Amino acid sequence: AQTVTQSQPEMSVQEAETVTLSCTYDTSESDYYLFWYKQPPSRQMILVIRQEAYKQQNATENRFSVNFQKAAKSFSLKISDSQLGDAAMYFCACLGLQGAQKLVFGQGTRLTINP
Amino acid sequence: GAGVSQTPSNKVTEKGKYVELRCDPISGHTALYWYRQSLGQGPEFLIYFQGTGAADDSGLPNDRFFAVRPEGSVSTLKIQRTERGDSAVYLCASSLAQAKTYEQYFGPGTRLTVT
Repeated sequence: AQTVTQSQPEMSVQEAETVTLSCTYDTSESDYYLFWYKQPPSRQMILVIRQEAYKQQNATENRFSVNFQKAAKSFSLKISDSQLGDAAMYFCACLGLQGAQKLVFGQGTRLTINP
Repeated sequence: GAGVSQTPSNKVTEKGKYVELRCDPISGHTALYWYRQSLGQGPEFLIYFQGTGAADDSGLPNDRFFAVRPEGSVSTLKIQRTERGDSAVYLCASSLAQAKTYEQYFGPGTRLTVT
């Protein structure tokens, strides 16, 4: 079983600045994946970035990168050069590879971009 | 190609009524998931299909909820005797079981309002 905690209900950042969203998780499984999803007002969940737990190297996707600290069970998302289109709810999620391979989500962080 | 589609986009029903929510996954995706997202929360797992069978229905809250996927493609989530607490966004996701990315592709969801 997994649990995911996002302790920042809301964050705001100036356009073009950098912001970091926090996430901690717990799992009893040795093999798992971690994800950040973005959910704009349209409700569509969009994958931002994925991290395989067995990889030590932090994943990066253009302006998005993660800081994966496996021992601390921490998985933060850094958004560089923030853009107005980044405004959305961001969800951290954990997927264990046993059984249903279902996503377990955190409560979300609402990110506001100030022009 | 076409993404995951869900119909209807919005559904308003009276307490006690029966509703059906439909999900069309990405063609060829054998795994299909239903999640429920209450206001201000992250999505919560309901049920997982691998092909035609429900491989894990441990997230269904009670026996008023039922889901089918008779031909291994389209799925229908059925809710009997709806209650106001059932009001939420119901999200469907699909994935390619053979792909080791474990990425789930989400539909836009159905917002269910029980009055």
